[in-house]
Amino acid sequence: SQQGEEDPQALSIQEGENATMNCSYKTSINNLQWYRQNSGRGLVHLILIRSNEREKHSGRLRVTLDTSKKSSSLLITASRAADTASYFCATRGGATNKLIFGTGTLLAVQP
Amino acid sequence: GAVVSQHPSWVICKSGTSVKIECRSLDFQATTMFWYRQFPKQSLMLMATSNEGSKATYEQGVEKDKFLINHASLTLSTLTVTSAHPEDSSFYICSARDLLGGYNEQFFGPGTRLTVL
Repeated sequence: SQQGEEDPQALSIQEGENATMNCSYKTSINNLQWYRQNSGRGLVHLILIRSNEREKHSGRLRVTLDTSKKSSSLLITASRAADTASYFCATRGGATNKLIFGTGTLLAVQP
Repeated sequence: GAVVSQHPSWVICKSGTSVKIECRSLDFQATTMFWYRQFPKQSLMLMATSNEGSKATYEQGVEKDKFLINHASLTLSTLTVTSAHPEDSSFYICSARDLLGGYNEQFFGPGTRLTVL
């Protein structure tokens, strides 16, 4: 399977703490994207980082990419209860240029 | 802008019936649409890629005769689950690629929850 893996599978933190999720993938990529999905709902695009970028910021989000290790991390700072959701990384690349999703991290932020 | 809608948002059907799910790009033209399936507490798995006016390309392990995809226009793709069975119960999400937004722009619909009794 080309699907990437994320860890941890589940993460529970207190409001105000930082949350870090990691994503590993298997093939070469053009870009890596992070999405959020609230329970039973559609996807919300959070951030895209290109293969030639190492770090990107958007509000409380910080994404890093290490193509040599085929890994990425998503950091959410000063978490809020509303950040409770599943977070997925998705990679685009390879011969088909398809968007392939990782296994996801379920984040629970306790108020 | 770049809104993708799906209809219905949920459907319950009896085993053996066929169900059609529509995916529309509301404010842009989508040359390519993607269909994903998501089982509870799992990730999205790409089922097929459909290009406007041509046959869909299915991922390995996805039965093309069971999951019929039609992409007849630049704003509409449909997924028909034929002779649905309980194991087809899942969350189906479509995604559309924005022709003008560049090759890497892909927008997702809100999903359709299918329950087969």
